[in-house]
Amino acid sequence: KNEVEQSPQNLTAQEGEFITINCSYSVGISALHWLQQHPGGGIVSLFMLSSGKKKHGRLIATINIQEKHSSLHITASHPRDSAVYICAVMTGDNDMRFGAGTRLTVKP
Amino acid sequence: DAGVTQSPTHLIKTRGQQVTLRCSPISGHKSVSWYQQVLGQGPQFIFQYYEKEERGRGNFPDRFSARQFPNYSSELNVNALLLGDSALYLCASSRTGGSSPLHFGNGTRLTVT
Repeated sequence: KNEVEQSPQNLTAQEGEFITINCSYSVGISALHWLQQHPGGGIVSLFMLSSGKKKHGRLIATINIQEKHSSLHITASHPRDSAVYICAVMTGDNDMRFGAGTRLTVKP
Repeated sequence: DAGVTQSPTHLIKTRGQQVTLRCSPISGHKSVSWYQQVLGQGPQFIFQYYEKEERGRGNFPDRFSARQFPNYSSELNVNALLLGDSALYLCASSRTGGSSPLHFGNGTRLTVT
């Protein structure tokens, strides 16, 4: 079992829909990162969380440390949001573990 | 301000050869980390360096080594290349490592034939 599990693996939405991507982890962490990867490989860091909730534009990330769970929400989704979204956790011994990613396709 | 820069962007090597990949962090960032991403999979952590010292190491064989220089740039070396080393190698920098935000370079795509 992977230490970082993401769901769903693939997600197709219509433009304007509200999207949720989930991440569960089984190790102790110092921080959790949400990353966005577009075709071609470039990775952009969206959020780094250690507690609570963060918001940036249409993106919201939450984390529940007790339940070892985080969610990434996209409001009013747009085709340009189409990408792979990756959850990654930094463990206490400075090791980073990655989820397999969620491939999001937003159709106009 | 320049972002994280990696060189080269693409590289083709033969099995058994050695390769060196380079990464320049964002100015002011003292931590560099390296990741391997095989096609169709998520990234895998290889190394983290902070202030020229190794801070973390992933589950990679000793053929993989890295170092960080006084200007905080970094090199990743892979010896005795295998076909399975073909991947996108990503570098990320952060101010302090640990729990500070990561900034990724565009990666070096290595093909081993």
